[in-house]
Amino acid sequence: EVQLVESGGGLIQPGGSLRLSCAASGFTVSNNYMSWVRQAPGKGLEWVSVIYSGSATYYADSVKGRFTISRDNSKNTLYLQMNSLRAEDTAVYYCARALGTGDIDHWGQGTLVTVSS
Amino acid sequence: QSALTQPASVSGSPGQSITISCTGTSSDIGGYNYVSWYQQHPGKAPKLMIYEVNKRPSGVSDRLSGSKSGNTASLTISGLQAEDEADYYCSSYTSTSYVFGTGTKVTVL
Repeated sequence: EVQLVESGGGLIQPGGSLRLSCAASGFTVSNNYMSWVRQAPGKGLEWVSVIYSGSATYYADSVKGRFTISRDNSKNTLYLQMNSLRAEDTAVYYCARALGTGDIDHWGQGTLVTVSS
Repeated sequence: QSALTQPASVSGSPGQSITISCTGTSSDIGGYNYVSWYQQHPGKAPKLMIYEVNKRPSGVSDRLSGSKSGNTASLTISGLQAEDEADYYCSSYTSTSYVFGTGTKVTVL
């Protein structure tokens, strides 16, 4: 069974850094497209970043230069390093596995990141 | 990376059919057959309902169907049921990234 479990969310001050983790089971992270998607409170879904099986990475313009997606193949875990955090980064962050077309077929339960002083 | 445009809300009575539109550009919906639709109930993670414009994952009701014409994709729910009440989001590939729609709240009257 495919499972994705996020951790690392919490309250952080503006300008701070946070690293989200996503532990995967039931499949191999390095063989799949993996994404992060976020949802601000009461708002819609926003695609954040993707790492392809070949290691290429892409980011939404809103986080480019501040966020870094990576994976640890030995731990079968996906990460999102978030730096220079802003109030507008406040959201539930979902880890997701995508099909070869980018369609997301499995989602984690989400972890809440709150950026506030 | 502008969000795809969806109607804020759509409603229908049980048994009726409704259609949700999702409008993009030639750089996303119009350029690729990689449109997906997600259903999200309050407090829950989204669920994939349609992928590659009109394909249904295993276990998804055949009352849902997807289509695309030009820069606009559509999701049709036929035989509307109470369990269909949720938020729905479209999504499209955009050559190096992905974009979601603004979301549509479906209400079953």
